[in-house]
Amino acid sequence: QLVLTQSPSASASLGASVKLTCTLSSGHSDYAIAWHQKHPEKGPRYLMKLNSDGSHNKGDGIPDRFSGSSSGAERYLTISSLQSEDEADYYCQTWDTDIHVFGGGTKLTVL
Amino acid sequence: EVQLVESGGGLVQPGRSLRLSCAASGFTFDDYAMHWVRQAPGKGLEWVSSVSWNSDTIGYADSVKGRFTISRDNAKNSLFLQMNSLRAEDTALYYCAKGLFGSMNWGLDYWGQGTLVTVSS
Repeated sequence: QLVLTQSPSASASLGASVKLTCTLSSGHSDYAIAWHQKHPEKGPRYLMKLNSDGSHNKGDGIPDRFSGSSSGAERYLTISSLQSEDEADYYCQTWDTDIHVFGGGTKLTVL
Repeated sequence: EVQLVESGGGLVQPGRSLRLSCAASGFTFDDYAMHWVRQAPGKGLEWVSSVSWNSDTIGYADSVKGRFTISRDNAKNSLFLQMNSLRAEDTALYYCAKGLFGSMNWGLDYWGQGTLVTVSS
């Protein structure tokens, strides 16, 4: 069964970097994912599509501070030079034949 | 600029029906798959349904299969979600999203602002 696992919360200081993790279920380590950012009272925002080899394609207007990487079944989103507006929920998402799956989301707090 | 504007949400009694619409602009609508995703109060994002560019491939989450029907009108740049036999657990903000490609078996890259569906007696 295709499942994405994310830690419920993360925190980092203003100006620092943070690395969020999304783990693919067993047997799906070669799947690509997408990362999305969600602020309260706003629609989600697509950040990037991240492949198993770590290559990624960012969405329109996504700052260079956002980057992705991969290792095995793990997919990472790194945000550098954290700003207050980066405080949000972050969701990973993947897909298989005729289905889509979201991770449970990580709530990022900027201290 | 890609724009997706959902409408049709509201308060509805359990067992009744509701039809959501999504008006798309800023891209060639019939080149891309389209999706519905929802977020229940205090919960995460949940995929609901997807349709390929020409409607030949459609998928549904198990939680809505047999009750919801996705459709699109490429001539009117519109996406729809017919929701029947609504339950309290269908209460959520429903988002329309554009696919990365024509096949529904890829990610999503643009989202609307959502329309709220509340199922309650």
